[in-house]
Amino acid sequence: DIQMTQSPSTLSASVGDRVTITCRASQSVSRWLAWYQQKPGKGPEVLIYQASILQSGVPSRFSGSGSGTEFTLTISSLQPEDFATYYCQQYDTYWTFGQGTKVEIK
Amino acid sequence: QVVLVESGGGVVQPGKSLRLSCAAAGFTFSSYGMHWVRLAPGKGLEWLAVIRFDGSAEYYADSVKGRFTISRDNSMDTVYLQMNSVRAEDTAVYYCARDYWAVGTRKGYFDYWGQGTLVTISS
Repeated sequence: DIQMTQSPSTLSASVGDRVTITCRASQSVSRWLAWYQQKPGKGPEVLIYQASILQSGVPSRFSGSGSGTEFTLTISSLQPEDFATYYCQQYDTYWTFGQGTKVEIK
Repeated sequence: QVVLVESGGGVVQPGKSLRLSCAAAGFTFSSYGMHWVRLAPGKGLEWLAVIRFDGSAEYYADSVKGRFTISRDNSMDTVYLQMNSVRAEDTAVYYCARDYWAVGTRKGYFDYWGQGTLVTISS
């Protein structure tokens, strides 16, 4: 099974900050990597697929990079509505999520 | 627009059974694979099962293989999760999600999710 490890688990930041979340795969997943945002009481929403392609309707302050085993999600300027939990997901071999990164208000 | 609505959650005793439903609207249901994913308290998202668009194949996570069964009724635009021999660790919010292949690919990520239904396993 492919394991996904995110860091950090929790991130405290302020509005306007640049935020980066890292995701590592236990083996190469090529670019079959998605990022999701989840807010309390709601289902997750996809932000990025294929490591770096922005899902339609997602603000351009979100970006993704990486390939193989190392990936990053960057929020260029954190907005109030971005305080949420973020998950990476590999979809190369079945589907596995990272443990999540909670972005909190500093 | 695409809408997925889960139902069937509740409080169930350990060892019992429960069937979750996910009703779809706003797209051609019979053209898409469908997944079940759960979020347990204090944990991250866990993929559970997928069923092909035509119901011809299913795949499961090891944690639920042999206990849970995914099925679909394309005439009703609904996907199901039959949960048998439930355990305390099955307590979670259960989501259904649509499998989507970006143009030119044959690998699916989840482009739409429901709001979830809460399952609590307790005696």
